[in-house]
Amino acid sequence: DGGITQSPKYLFRKEGQNVTLSCEQNLNHDAMYWYRQDPGQGLRLIYYSQIVNDFQKGDIAEGYSVSREKKESFPLTVTSAQKNPTAFYLCASNDPGDGTGNTIYFGEGSWLTVV
Amino acid sequence: AQTVTQSQPEMSVQEAETVTLSCTYDTSESDYYLFWYKQPPSRQMILVIRQEAYKQQNATENRFSVNFQKAAKSFSLKISDSQLGDAAMYFCAYRSAIWSGTYKYIFGTGTRLKVLA
Repeated sequence: DGGITQSPKYLFRKEGQNVTLSCEQNLNHDAMYWYRQDPGQGLRLIYYSQIVNDFQKGDIAEGYSVSREKKESFPLTVTSAQKNPTAFYLCASNDPGDGTGNTIYFGEGSWLTVV
Repeated sequence: AQTVTQSQPEMSVQEAETVTLSCTYDTSESDYYLFWYKQPPSRQMILVIRQEAYKQQNATENRFSVNFQKAAKSFSLKISDSQLGDAAMYFCAYRSAIWSGTYKYIFGTGTRLKVLA
């Protein structure tokens, strides 16, 4: 089945360590996104990528990095520079031209806890 | 910049009753898309319903319908015959139809819906 796969589902990280969250999609979507979700704040955009080898900062990019070497993959690295990384992270994708009404689709998310 | 506001942090509804979740947005654009997403305890974001701003007719999907008031910039979600499985966090979202290097989706802060048996 087509969809977006995020891994790991749960991740614990020690302070000062970098960690990478994986996001893979087989929907053939050009655009991919990373969101952070905190209680009471909805979804905030971290990074987005419209095409391979190109990505842009979102609203809260500080302390994060991404790469887009393949169309289906958009990994997110949470670096030690991110001051408050404990959160729920959602990967998403969409393709404005595929007739789905410009809907954005989400993965199941990854919980990151800094201990 | 566009904003989306959900002023009801939490709502409750009796099973089989009807509930309406509110959403207002601010934009100077005339063409855009609006969405309601459901996030159950599993945290998977699920599309409930979407509305194109150029369409005057309100979207409906089975028990879910919207009241889209473009002039008032209001986009409320009505859930009829509420079921226990409807209990979730509901997010309203906006997306411009104008390309600006990307299509950014702007989300509200969510409304937690409780369904009482």
